Amino acid sequence: NAGVMQNPRHLVRRRGQEARLRCSPMKGHSHVYWYRQLPEEGLKFMVYLQKENIIDESGMPKERFSAEFPKEGPSILRIQQVVRGDSAAYFCASSDTFLGAEAFFGQGTRLTVV
Amino acid sequence: QQPVQSPQAVILREGEDAVINCSSSKALYSVHWYRQKHGEAPVFLMILLKGGEQKGHEKISASFNEKKQQSSLYLTASQLSYSGTYFCGTEIQGAQKLVFGQGTRLTINP
Repeated sequence: NAGVMQNPRHLVRRRGQEARLRCSPMKGHSHVYWYRQLPEEGLKFMVYLQKENIIDESGMPKERFSAEFPKEGPSILRIQQVVRGDSAAYFCASSDTFLGAEAFFGQGTRLTVV
Repeated sequence: QQPVQSPQAVILREGEDAVINCSSSKALYSVHWYRQKHGEAPVFLMILLKGGEQKGHEKISASFNEKKQQSSLYLTASQLSYSGTYFCGTEIQGAQKLVFGQGTRLTINP
């Protein structure tokens, strides 16, 4: 049973380009979280999605960031017009339900903006 | 809504015990504990649901005090492999999201 798969593992973008980060949840999981982590810091909540629905996006910056989890395919975190401050590790986690379920993390995508 | 962890860092010798605390100002539905090693993904340790239960396996256990909205992670007879940063994650009643504390860095020396 494959775990949570994130790709790419490393992504380098020039300022102003777009970054697309993908997350395939564990088999049978329909809930996905995205977190951002700066070096030596904690996991900052960004967004919580279920299939085809955004449940809570209170941690997402108002501009340039968007997330989706379509009926088919992986969840996508999209960052438009990246800036150097977007450089971070982005982790997704999946669970099979909301409230009280174990959430399992992918290996993360390390985004570097040059 | 972010839970508060204490202490921020702990340094132990192998074989010593440690306690990491996690507290919230909101009524909690659940508390999750994870360990993250440098450059790696967080790894799930255990989840505690409201009801004040205690869980554990081998030398790592945790408790959840629902009245105080606090959880504690207990590591006994620590091993070198226990080194890493420990995060508690909380689900607040009425809010559908898992939010993490700032982490506790645990260093185990031989």
